[in-house]
Amino acid sequence: NAGVTQTPKFQVLKTGQSMTLQCAQDMNHNSMYWYRQDPGMGLRLIYYSASEGTTDKGEVPNGYNVSRLNKREFSLRLESAAPSQTSVYFCASRTKGLSSGGSPYEQYFGPGTRLTVT
Amino acid sequence: KNQVEQSPQSLIILEGKNCTLQCNYTVSPFSNLRWYKQDTGRGPVSLTIMTFSENTKSNGRYTATLDADTKQSSLHITASQLSDSASYICVVSPLSGGGNKLTFGTGTQLKVEL
Repeated sequence: NAGVTQTPKFQVLKTGQSMTLQCAQDMNHNSMYWYRQDPGMGLRLIYYSASEGTTDKGEVPNGYNVSRLNKREFSLRLESAAPSQTSVYFCASRTKGLSSGGSPYEQYFGPGTRLTVT
Repeated sequence: KNQVEQSPQSLIILEGKNCTLQCNYTVSPFSNLRWYKQDTGRGPVSLTIMTFSENTKSNGRYTATLDADTKQSSLHITASQLSDSASYICVVSPLSGGGNKLTFGTGTQLKVEL
């Protein structure tokens, strides 16, 4: 049981190049998320997919696109990378709905992708 | 705007000592508050979760408290170990949003030294 996996671990892009970050989970979770983490800031939600077949914008969606390929996989695409997109990107997943205690199920995070755009 | 503020930004303690990390939030109404541990180069891992009606929750040497009236939470680490060196992040889930839109604090960077 690998949990949430992300590829690649590291990537360097030139301004204007495109790339796709891949994320997969093997926990049969319904919901998946993409975050970015920048120094001095909390994690910020880029896009999420509450269930297979749906995607929604988060706090900072500009410059990104996502695809929920199937229940396991959720990819993040940068069509024309900019230096402002230099960041660490985390994918997360969780079971949709509420636990018996009434709280949303916790999110499980992947190991992250460190992206540098020059 | 919903905010989560943590203090101190960083902290150095000696192995075996206790410490307390603080979290103040303005998210209201909220569903639950979580503390995550993030080791360097890794993704965050959940330590505790408390709903608005809970006052305290423990996970081994980690004890979180919540005062929903003052909108404050704390994470107490007992008998610290070198492996506790990490960033500790306070995360609040607003009542609206269905658990999808979390508000993250910037974290407290803890270093435990010999």
